[in-house]
Amino acid sequence: KAGVTQTPRYLIKTRGQQVTLSCSPISGHRSVSWYQQTPGQGLQFLFEYFSETQRNKGNFPGRFSGRQFSNSRSEMNVSTLELGDSALYLCASSLNRVSTEAFFGQGTRLTVV
Amino acid sequence: LAKTTQPISMDSYEGQEVNITCSHNNIATNDYITWYQQFPSQGPRFIIQGYKTKVTNEVASLFIPADRKSSTLSLPRVSLSDTAVYYCLVGDMTVGGYSTLTFGKGTMLLVSP
Repeated sequence: KAGVTQTPRYLIKTRGQQVTLSCSPISGHRSVSWYQQTPGQGLQFLFEYFSETQRNKGNFPGRFSGRQFSNSRSEMNVSTLELGDSALYLCASSLNRVSTEAFFGQGTRLTVV
Repeated sequence: LAKTTQPISMDSYEGQEVNITCSHNNIATNDYITWYQQFPSQGPRFIIQGYKTKVTNEVASLFIPADRKSSTLSLPRVSLSDTAVYYCLVGDMTVGGYSTLTFGKGTMLLVSP
């Protein structure tokens, strides 16, 4: 079966702009989580969605937001982009909130210039 | 989530067995131990998970002593393609599951010819 699909793979944006990233989980998976990965901070949890509701949120400013649709697909949005938002954004899906493993997509590489 | 400590890096040669140890002194009763592998610019990939004693799959083995304060990921006969970062995670799978995976710095394994 198809894995987790993230689009786009690469993105270049200018400071102050906003961006929307998309994640399609594995078919049947209902939980989607987002992570930010940078060389300095490593992998950091952004938020988790389950059944179209945000269940948990990491320690990120309100410029970072997300949503989940009825088909479990998820989007995350970053407004007023800053240079420090340049990172690899990873989406992970799992069957439900107590699954034994999470499946990650290949990520979206965001560069803010 | 329990904090984990791993070596920052390890070196090995093709064909050797590699053992990566993770310390988790404050592991809780309900916590499971999970290992992920990550290649550059890709999302982490689940390797193995265990609760106690020994778990083996087609990729690796996980050894967990009786006190569960540490665990060892064993990779038999590594190849160049095993060069990656390996993360040890500890968490209660019954509460929120993978919604807040906490990744440490991981162990960078470099396999040489």
